[in-house]
Amino acid sequence: DAKTTQPPSMDCAEGRAANLPCNHSTISGNEYVYWYRQIHSQGPQYIIHGLKNNETNEMASLIITEDRKSSTLILPHATLRDTAVYYCIVRVNNNDMRFGAGTRLTVKP
Amino acid sequence: DADVTQTPRNRITKTGKRIMLECSQTKGHDRMYWYRQDPGLGLQLIYYSFDVKDINKGEISDGYSVSRQAQAKFSLSLESAIPNQTALYFCATSERRDRDAQFFGPGTRLTVL
Repeated sequence: DAKTTQPPSMDCAEGRAANLPCNHSTISGNEYVYWYRQIHSQGPQYIIHGLKNNETNEMASLIITEDRKSSTLILPHATLRDTAVYYCIVRVNNNDMRFGAGTRLTVKP
Repeated sequence: DADVTQTPRNRITKTGKRIMLECSQTKGHDRMYWYRQDPGLGLQLIYYSFDVKDINKGEISDGYSVSRQAQAKFSLSLESAIPNQTALYFCATSERRDRDAQFFGPGTRLTVL
């Protein structure tokens, strides 16, 4: 069974914030939420991860709901180079990275 | 920067041939992984290694073998390639804690005719 559910595609205007949702209603207490993206057929790029608290780095912010059943990745000022497939992954162990289909984000001029 | 490198980047081969894909890293990470990606799908774990003496099968190890020659090198072999092994192959590395993020190489596009 899939651990996460993401919309298959989203559009965002260049310069605006891109908010990518992820549902993980069966997440267990020790599972982290990770976000990666894959631009065309390049290697997936790590973006951010978190357990309970909201996290921010130079690329994005991660907002995790209090019940941890969903999260949102925020790209504050999307650019055309942010067009990619974004993967939300929940896991405990590093040998349990399950990539689903992800969300294809298209940033439009 | 090329912290994780993969060779070759592209390879076309014939059914039944033995193929080796190589991965090297300069990140100093203990853990290394091999994934495959089929068109339009997510990545699937083939093998992983938590240190030089530790090799483990992933979800889809049949038809593949690996060798961890050193901390920095992890090779994937297809002993007798078949067409349904045509895919993108990615190597990844991580530090030793389970929650540490994985960092991926640029990938090898393998076509088996």
